[in-house]
Amino acid sequence: EDQVTQSPEALRLQEGESSSLNCSYTVSGLRGLFWYRQDPGKGPEFLFTLYSAGEEKEKERLKATLTKKESFLHITAPKPEDSATYLCAVQAPGSARQLTFGSGTQLTVLP
Amino acid sequence: SAVISQKPSRDICQRGTSLTIQCQVDSQVTMMFWYRQQPGQSLTLIATANQGSEATYESGFVIDKFPISRPNLTFSTLTVSNMSPEDSSIYLCSVNGQGGKMNTEAFFGQGTRLTVV
Repeated sequence: EDQVTQSPEALRLQEGESSSLNCSYTVSGLRGLFWYRQDPGKGPEFLFTLYSAGEEKEKERLKATLTKKESFLHITAPKPEDSATYLCAVQAPGSARQLTFGSGTQLTVLP
Repeated sequence: SAVISQKPSRDICQRGTSLTIQCQVDSQVTMMFWYRQQPGQSLTLIATANQGSEATYESGFVIDKFPISRPNLTFSTLTVSNMSPEDSSIYLCSVNGQGGKMNTEAFFGQGTRLTVV
């Protein structure tokens, strides 16, 4: 059974204080790993897809990396508007395109 | 990216009643997915809705409780039947990007926040 574990559950940062969120996964053959941002009361917003170990993607202050066992979402010099819950999900072969989600990391960036 | 509209955005319902949630996509897609997000938890897939066939339900979810319709390639409904307070959740509709191609990101509606009293 596919499993996704995210840590920490919650993270509070000062504005400008860089950090990383972790997503550890167990899947029989990774088809894709996805990062989403979710604001309160809204649906998840797609950020990145990573397909193979060593791959990296960047968008503004966010950078996602992937190894064979985990993915990191690095946040550089965060701003208060980066406050949200960040979700990680994996897709495995034979899953009919469904995603298995982690429980998320709730990030709060203080001004 | 796909634009997904869900209605209603929120509702408060009496226990024992049913609520139908609508999901409209701005492009034709093969599969539509319904997720549940219970308070403080992550997303759990309820079922996959294919046009022209019955929905495929995940373990722990049954058609009698969550009937789904998929009348065409841009629209689906999820009904939460005979509701109890345990059904209070956010319900989300999702589709895959790029016309439903494999290995692509999923896009989500804004969700329906259901409270059962």
